[in-house]
Amino acid sequence: DVKVTQSSRYLVKRTGEKVFLECVQDMDHENMFWYRQDPGLGLRLIYFSYDVKMKEKGDIPEGYSVSREKKERFSLILESASTNQTSMYLCASSLVFWGTSGRISYNEQFFGPGTRLTVL
Amino acid sequence: DQQVKQNSPSLSVQEGRISILNCDYTNSMFDYFLWYKKYPAEGPTFLISISSIKDKNEDGRFTVFLNKSAKHLSLHIVPSQPGDSAVYFCAASGSFQKLVFGTGTRLLVSP
Repeated sequence: DVKVTQSSRYLVKRTGEKVFLECVQDMDHENMFWYRQDPGLGLRLIYFSYDVKMKEKGDIPEGYSVSREKKERFSLILESASTNQTSMYLCASSLVFWGTSGRISYNEQFFGPGTRLTVL
Repeated sequence: DQQVKQNSPSLSVQEGRISILNCDYTNSMFDYFLWYKKYPAEGPTFLISISSIKDKNEDGRFTVFLNKSAKHLSLHIVPSQPGDSAVYFCAASGSFQKLVFGTGTRLLVSP
């Protein structure tokens, strides 16, 4: 079974603090993603990474950065936490395979349990 | 601009009856669609998917229907069980591995 783990289930931080959210997957997946889930807004993509040291902005990258130094680990960083970053943060990973037309990503993503972050 | 829409935030169904969850999309470049189920305090788990070359995919009690001309898909759960009570997210994919998610529908199945 694919396992995606996140460093904390619940986190409370103060405005202006630097916050690190860690995600680790154990299935050698190339792709990793960070989402946030808010009521009425669904899941929104913050950043994703398709390889070590590679990153791409998602739909809402402002106020966030990421780091992927190792294949299995993808970190989300809030440089200066603000109250509007209070949310559920979800990490996901997915596999890639090589087809006749090149690199193809599996659509199915496997999610971690989430980190409920509260910024006071 | 919400490219994937789930217009019903909630749905209540009695145990044993059919649950129908709906999803609409606007981007004609989407070619793969997925449904995820999410329990409180857990991450979403993959439920069922469908490629745009098909109009139906079935897996046990779960069936997904795709109507490309209407840009509409639906998830049918028959028969519904109390353990199906969760939030269901529709997602669509068309470009490099990015999924676009809907806002979710909370399903409550009562005994």
